[in-house]
Amino acid sequence: GQQVMQIPQYQHVQEGEDFTTYCNSSTTLSNIQWYKQRPGGHPVFLIQLVKSGEVKKQKRLTFQFGEAKKNSSLHITATQTTDVGTYFCAAWGYSSASKIIFGSGTRLSIRP
Amino acid sequence: GAGVSQTPSNKVTEKGKYVELRCDPISGHTALYWYRQSLGQGPEFLIYFQGTGAADDSGLPNDRFFAVRPEGSVSTLKIQRTERGDSAVYLCASSSSGHPDTQYFGPGTRLTVL
Repeated sequence: GQQVMQIPQYQHVQEGEDFTTYCNSSTTLSNIQWYKQRPGGHPVFLIQLVKSGEVKKQKRLTFQFGEAKKNSSLHITATQTTDVGTYFCAAWGYSSASKIIFGSGTRLSIRP
Repeated sequence: GAGVSQTPSNKVTEKGKYVELRCDPISGHTALYWYRQSLGQGPEFLIYFQGTGAADDSGLPNDRFFAVRPEGSVSTLKIQRTERGDSAVYLCASSSSGHPDTQYFGPGTRLTVL
């Protein structure tokens, strides 16, 4: 069945350093979403990518969807303490019976 | 406006008991999702409603789990004969029209089965 792998599982960076998390699927995806979950909180929607090779930016965050629509990445430039949390990708496949699959998340912690 | 709300916020029950978890979606949202999240894991899809009907219930782990949305708004997730492995945070999300669309998550219900 469809699987979504997310790496790394954890990332601990110095404030000001960059951060990247990757999401990889075994099957072609119709679209992918990214969510952020603060410690003790619930997932909050960040962005949705639909087109092959799509790149979207939100201030210091850059999101990419691979050309083959099987992978995606989230890159944060110059991390700040407010970026702390777990970042999840969520993907839909192309099959009519597809369900939403969340990655296992990348937990970002930051040294001030 | 009000976001997605879930009640109770915490539920402690004993193995074998029946529990009901409630979700109030954002007003006007036709799509509603239930997820289960264990510590250190991503949300695990359980069921998706479009209006009153379950459009996809393939994530329900077994027949002890059931969900309803009789009027196309509030939804209740029902778990019979609870087991310790059911302990998790149960998240509800709604979206205006269904996937793919932005999902707005509620705060979750933390279920602990003793």
